[in-house]
Amino acid sequence: AQSVTQPDIHITVSEGASLELRCNYSYGATPYLFWYVQSPGQGLQLLLKYFSGDTLVQGIKGFEAEFKRSQSSFNLRKPSVHWSDAAEYFCAVGLGSAAGNKLTFGGGTRVLVKP
Amino acid sequence: EPEVTQTPSHQVTQMGQEVILRCVPISNHLYFYWYRQILGQKVEFLVSFYNNEISEKSEIFDDQFSVERPDGSNFTLKIRSTKLEDSAMYFCASKPGQGPNQPQHFGDGTRLSIL
Repeated sequence: AQSVTQPDIHITVSEGASLELRCNYSYGATPYLFWYVQSPGQGLQLLLKYFSGDTLVQGIKGFEAEFKRSQSSFNLRKPSVHWSDAAEYFCAVGLGSAAGNKLTFGGGTRVLVKP
Repeated sequence: EPEVTQTPSHQVTQMGQEVILRCVPISNHLYFYWYRQILGQKVEFLVSFYNNEISEKSEIFDDQFSVERPDGSNFTLKIRSTKLEDSAMYFCASKPGQGPNQPQHFGDGTRLSIL
């Protein structure tokens, strides 16, 4: 069965500093990978997605992620963090079946931004 | 940009009572989902729905749960006899077509509190 691991539960970063959130997946076939962000009291907003092709994908809000098949990773990065980036970030993998195409989520990483 | 809308934002219900959570997916979307997030835990898949029937469900989605698309716009999750452990945030999601490369769009969630 597929699984997604986000090793860091919490990360604290200073405003203006760079941010990297780790995501490792376990899935037998080509993964369809997503990063979502959840601000307090809000739903899940899609940041970016990877299906195939260029392994470095750009998303909204200045985020990017790099797919590394050899490491089964899809880490999220942002060069310079803003206070508004404080939120919880979820990595997810989508199944390739024709049925529900459900998403399997990692446990999330909560990002705190220091002034 | 079109959004998935969920009502109510917060529902408080006595244990044993029935509750209906409502969702209006994005209008041209064909695939619908419910997920839940128990406080402090992962976002978990409950059920997917397409062409007026369930396409996949998790082991969480037992006989006390049901879903329905009563008209052309609403998508509901009913919990027949609520338990304390049903307390969670429930997210509705939709996507336009088949294929895991099409991202799911999430609503802001309904926080369900069972007393």
